[in-house]
Amino acid sequence: DGGITQSPKYLFRKEGQNVTLSCEQNLNHDAMYWYRQDPGQGLRLIYYSQIVNDFQKGDIAEGYSVSREKKESFPLTVTSAQKNPTAFYLCASSMRPDDTQYFGPGTRLTVL
Amino acid sequence: LAKTTQPISMDSYEGQEVNITCSHNNIATNDYITWYQQFPSQGPRFIIQGYKTKVTNEVASLFIPADRKSSTLSLPRVSLSDTAVYYCLVGDRHGGNNRLAFGKGNQVVVIP
Repeated sequence: DGGITQSPKYLFRKEGQNVTLSCEQNLNHDAMYWYRQDPGQGLRLIYYSQIVNDFQKGDIAEGYSVSREKKESFPLTVTSAQKNPTAFYLCASSMRPDDTQYFGPGTRLTVL
Repeated sequence: LAKTTQPISMDSYEGQEVNITCSHNNIATNDYITWYQQFPSQGPRFIIQGYKTKVTNEVASLFIPADRKSSTLSLPRVSLSDTAVYYCLVGDRHGGNNRLAFGKGNQVVVIP
């Protein structure tokens, strides 16, 4: 059963704590992406990776960090430097950087 | 990044054909036009992609005029389950990397 998974679906953290969101795909896709979505808004790109061991900042990378040590995994860390981390986070992957992106189910992060 | 402009929202009655427009005046020669559908608290789902003229699949049709500065997504005989946000994206190459820009999308509400 191929696809892209994100865990957990809901996540609660105290202010000032770092938190890591998981994203795994078994589609053998080279490219992976992280987006943030706020209520009533579109998606904003945080980071993207075209290939293993490489990643680039998106439009709103401040306060976030990523790693791409394995092709199938692209975890996102929301650091304490992110001023307003409460949001819906979406991970996506594509075969190549210019191909159609396929999205995971999302993780809703709430910082208390 | 090539930007897109869509109406914020639209209503339609069940069983009707729905046409959703998108403007992309700065589309580049190599850009494709891609449409996604998103339900609340879920990741966007790919609907259709095209470059010019008309593309049709089992879900929708995409009409692109010769100047490619706009496109229209057509959903035949919508049902209540088609209520969602629809995003129009234009593929863009920035420094050799392709990054898709999601706008706020078009909220389509299907009325019984």
